[in-house]
Amino acid sequence: GESVGLHLPTLSVQEGDNSIINCAYSNSASDYFIWYKQESGKGPQFIIDIRSNMDKRQGQRVTVLLNKTVKHLSLQIAATQPGDSAVYFCAENTGTYKYIFGTGTRLKVLA
Amino acid sequence: DAGVIQSPRHEVTEMGQEVTLRCKPISGHDYLFWYRQTMMRGLELLIYFNNNVPIDDSGMPEDRFSAKMPNASFSTLKIQPSEPRDSAVYFCASSLTGGQPQHFGDGTRLSIL
Repeated sequence: GESVGLHLPTLSVQEGDNSIINCAYSNSASDYFIWYKQESGKGPQFIIDIRSNMDKRQGQRVTVLLNKTVKHLSLQIAATQPGDSAVYFCAENTGTYKYIFGTGTRLKVLA
Repeated sequence: DAGVIQSPRHEVTEMGQEVTLRCKPISGHDYLFWYRQTMMRGLELLIYFNNNVPIDDSGMPEDRFSAKMPNASFSTLKIQPSEPRDSAVYFCASSLTGGQPQHFGDGTRLSIL
């Protein structure tokens, strides 16, 4: 299940360091956002979500930040582990149940 | 709990042949989505259903593509006739309601020769 291949932006991080993956979304009317993780050969897997009435939400080792002013979303992964290596997608929903997915960022965790 | 189940996982066929992809959503989920993923275009929504009824098929590329959901536990995506440019990974996803995260299957990798 590789997604976008040759032209995917790649973030390389040392194991144990924090990772920050960014996403610019397109529609100022979007009110719900999701981060997905996709490992090779698998479908996207839900990580964390946030609604537009919030600017920060925390999960286990992950934090999502939303800046509606500049239409920017970020995913922070604390203490990055080898198992975090994957492609990460943001998805926005404009309220119609149709999600717009970003092109993805490949995270490589270096041992 | 069983997740979204797709079959087959891989399909290789010659152009002109009919291709049928299958999906079993998570039990109790009211929404079902079909996506296509390619290197060039990323993840694209093809069609989605609510309570077995197609709601939006504006992403279906052309009349060669059709999707059905005869009951709450089964959906098919059919391509007839298939063309090499249809080669992609096709994902099915389901969600409890429209405004909640979608759960994806592991996809069908389709290669049209």
